[in-house]
Amino acid sequence: QKEVEQNSGPLSVPEGAIASLNCTYSDRVSQSFFWYRQYSGKSPELIMSIYSNGDKEDGRFTAQLNKASQYVSLLIRDSQPSDSATYLCAIPNWQFGSRLTFGEGTQLTVNP
Amino acid sequence: EAGVAQSPRYKIIEKRQSVAFWCNPISGHATLYWYQQILGQGPKLLIQFQNNGVVDDSQLPKDRFSAERLKGVDSTLKIQPAKLEDSAVYLCASSLDPGEVDTQYFGPGTRLTVL
Repeated sequence: QKEVEQNSGPLSVPEGAIASLNCTYSDRVSQSFFWYRQYSGKSPELIMSIYSNGDKEDGRFTAQLNKASQYVSLLIRDSQPSDSATYLCAIPNWQFGSRLTFGEGTQLTVNP
Repeated sequence: EAGVAQSPRYKIIEKRQSVAFWCNPISGHATLYWYQQILGQGPKLLIQFQNNGVVDDSQLPKDRFSAERLKGVDSTLKIQPAKLEDSAVYLCASSLDPGEVDTQYFGPGTRLTVL
């Protein structure tokens, strides 16, 4: 089992819709969870972090964490064409320094 | 505040050649990371430095990859000899200290193509 798994996509949604991106992880002791956005040809940028069960909202973005199910998701409301990118789920592995373990990413396309 | 700088941005080499990448982290950032991102995959950590000491190099292919961070600032990553499967983007990131994983700032990356 991979440490971090994401729905592989690609995911295509119409403008204004809700995009739902999912991530599962294998390490039950993980405490921190991050979502990065990576535009084509660019480096990853952190858009959301979540540390406790429940929802965390930031503008149009909502991160949801369920530690019992080892599941974290990212919802993008009112999706815009500028949201088209690859979204990476990342979890720190404290056994090895502060290594971030990334999922393979989900490519999102928002169609105008 | 200047970001993480990397050079070159692009490099094309033939297999069995050697190549080196350079990274200059954000000023004052003690922790420096090198990640490898193969097309269609997430970044994978190759090596992590704390100042000029190695914290984690468990995923570095040491038979061909080497890295150093002299004086705890700039870092170089070298591949010798390169293989076709080394074609990837090499990302450098830095953070103030190892505990601040949510403030890892990434550089623009170096895209390596091995022919």
